[in-house]
Amino acid sequence: GAVVSQHPSWVICKSGTSVKIECRSLDFQATTMFWYRQFPKQSLMLMATSNEGSKATYEQGVEKDKFLINHASLTLSTLTVTSAHPEDSSFYICSASRTGGTNTEAFFGQGTRLTVV
Amino acid sequence: GQQLNQSPQSMFIQEGEDVSMNCTSSSIFNTWLWYKQDPGEGPVLLIALYKAGELTSNGRLTAQFGITRKDSFLNISASIPSDVGIYFCAGQLGFQKLVFGTGTRLLVSP
Repeated sequence: GAVVSQHPSWVICKSGTSVKIECRSLDFQATTMFWYRQFPKQSLMLMATSNEGSKATYEQGVEKDKFLINHASLTLSTLTVTSAHPEDSSFYICSASRTGGTNTEAFFGQGTRLTVV
Repeated sequence: GQQLNQSPQSMFIQEGEDVSMNCTSSSIFNTWLWYKQDPGEGPVLLIALYKAGELTSNGRLTAQFGITRKDSFLNISASIPSDVGIYFCAGQLGFQKLVFGTGTRLLVSP
């Protein structure tokens, strides 16, 4: 399968600071990447769709000024959690879609465990 | 957001047993994907299904795309301890975002 790399795999930050998470598609170009949040023992919840060269599309209830998304190239999307608070602590996962003909497969990064203290 | 109904929620089985889990939706999809997630890791794609009625295998895994396009199942044969993890189904319509199932937690006893 295709490779999606996410960095860092874990981060601890102080309350009020900002944290940037990177998502890279290593062996294919992705015009669309997705950012998810996952709480313990729960499924993945889509936060936003990241579109290369345009603004991200946020899901209902997700603050776009809090979770800044930049998709500057076909292989890189970044999620910045601004002014992080303890309630932002979670597991954040990105995915990138690879399209071949009419079929699309979504591949996931390894996730980033964010802990805000 | 929307989630797919996935069952069972959890299973505890003996090594060597076969496992079956399924996913149902109130709306149709034209792609069904099955993922496995280990603790602290991102989901890993197991099987992708693109056609109603399609039956696809990947080693000991077999998945089928329901004929109504509203359901899918995943079978694991002869389970082994490393099959432990959480299995998620996901549906997709066109190039739209994935809709995930609620997950099935599998535990395998040696």
